[in-house]
Amino acid sequence: DQQVKQNSPSLSVQEGRISILNCDYTNSMFDYFLWYKKYPAEGPTFLISISSIKDKNEDGRFTVFLNKSAKHLSLHIVPSQPGDSAVYFCAASVNNAGNMLTFGGGTRLMVKP
Amino acid sequence: DAGITQSPRHKVTETGTPVTLRCHQTENHRYMYWYRQDPGHGLRLIHYSYGVKDTDKGEVSDGYSVSRSKTEDFLLTLESATSSQTSVYFCAISEDKAGLAGGGEQFFGPGTRLTVL
Repeated sequence: DQQVKQNSPSLSVQEGRISILNCDYTNSMFDYFLWYKKYPAEGPTFLISISSIKDKNEDGRFTVFLNKSAKHLSLHIVPSQPGDSAVYFCAASVNNAGNMLTFGGGTRLMVKP
Repeated sequence: DAGITQSPRHKVTETGTPVTLRCHQTENHRYMYWYRQDPGHGLRLIHYSYGVKDTDKGEVSDGYSVSRSKTEDFLLTLESATSSQTSVYFCAISEDKAGLAGGGEQFFGPGTRLTVL
């Protein structure tokens, strides 16, 4: 039973437009959420995070929104650039669980020039 | 970039043979992790370590063992490789957890692609 789900395996957007990647979770104990970006043949790289005491965190073109009541988070990329084309993973953790992360299945984002 | 290396980067082996993958860090981080990545499953935790000689199981630990005799090295061993263990393996590290203010990020190595024939 997947505790973190990314229901869209792929997403295609035009350069300059907004990309919205979604993630749902089922474990109400999760209190810290992260997004990772992965290029082919490389390891995932940390992108942005949010703790459960916030509902929004922004870093440049990237914003993560957290809706605890819906157990849903989303990553907004504005404006999207071709270099953003990658697989994006959301991950979640419980504060007292040794930094262990539970990952979603990933969404492949393709940004078309 | 966090100083994490994995060796080998690619390996092809036969069913039933033992395989050891190595993760080496230069960051002196306390926590180290081994994940496998498979299509549709994202990354799944195999084992993790919270200090020298301190390890614990993750979600998919069957068929795998680990050892950490030094802070900088974390070894993953497949005692008798099976075709179902064909995957890409990632090592990750993180510092002591900083609580809800953040700091729980893990930093990943480049991965090892393992093929078991």
